[in-house]
Amino acid sequence: DIQMTQSPSSLSASLGDRVTITCRAGQNISNFLNWYQQIPGKAPELLIYAASSLQSGVPSRFRGSGSGTDFTLTISSLQPEDFATYYCQQSYIMRFTFGPGTKVDIK
Amino acid sequence: QLQLQESGPGLVKPSETLSLICTVSGGSISKSSYFWGWLRQPPGKGLEWIGNIYYSGSTYYNSSLKSRLTISVDTSKNQFSLKLNSVTAADTAVYYCARIIIEAAGGNWFDPWGQGTLVTVSS
Repeated sequence: DIQMTQSPSSLSASLGDRVTITCRAGQNISNFLNWYQQIPGKAPELLIYAASSLQSGVPSRFRGSGSGTDFTLTISSLQPEDFATYYCQQSYIMRFTFGPGTKVDIK
Repeated sequence: QLQLQESGPGLVKPSETLSLICTVSGGSISKSSYFWGWLRQPPGKGLEWIGNIYYSGSTYYNSSLKSRLTISVDTSKNQFSLKLNSVTAADTAVYYCARIIIEAAGGNWFDPWGQGTLVTVSS
């Protein structure tokens, strides 16, 4: 299986801050990388697919980048509804694996 | 708008079989562009992919669960199901079903997800 890591595991930020979350794959996965947001008590929701494509309805302050083994999710200006846990997921092979998550909370 | 809903017992005894159904509404489960998947999340922990099924019945399973796992599809009812046998407390989790979009150029992704159902394994 392809191992996925994320950093940091958690971060504290203020409204309006720029936030960057990193995801690293254990091998080259091209652009087969997706990002999800999970608000406590809710199901995850797709934010970014194929490394950099914004899912319909997701605000443009979310941006995904990267390819190969290193990927980044950037929130350009943190809003109240963005405090959540973010997961990356690889689909390079049909044995999907997720990163351990990055929790974003209020400073 | 496509919706998925998990259903099944919320409490299962150790060594017994966990059975869940996912009902798909607002679209057909038989479309060729999609897989249908199960995932889980133990309390306070991260997400784990369990397995996928295509409308034809083809399956992919998480190798760590494969020996205990069966995923099946009923296209006439627009449902797919999960059976996990010989459960232990380690199988306690919120179980989600989701559509998996198939895209040759960019891989596969889960969207949308069901709301999830908590299954507790306890005597």
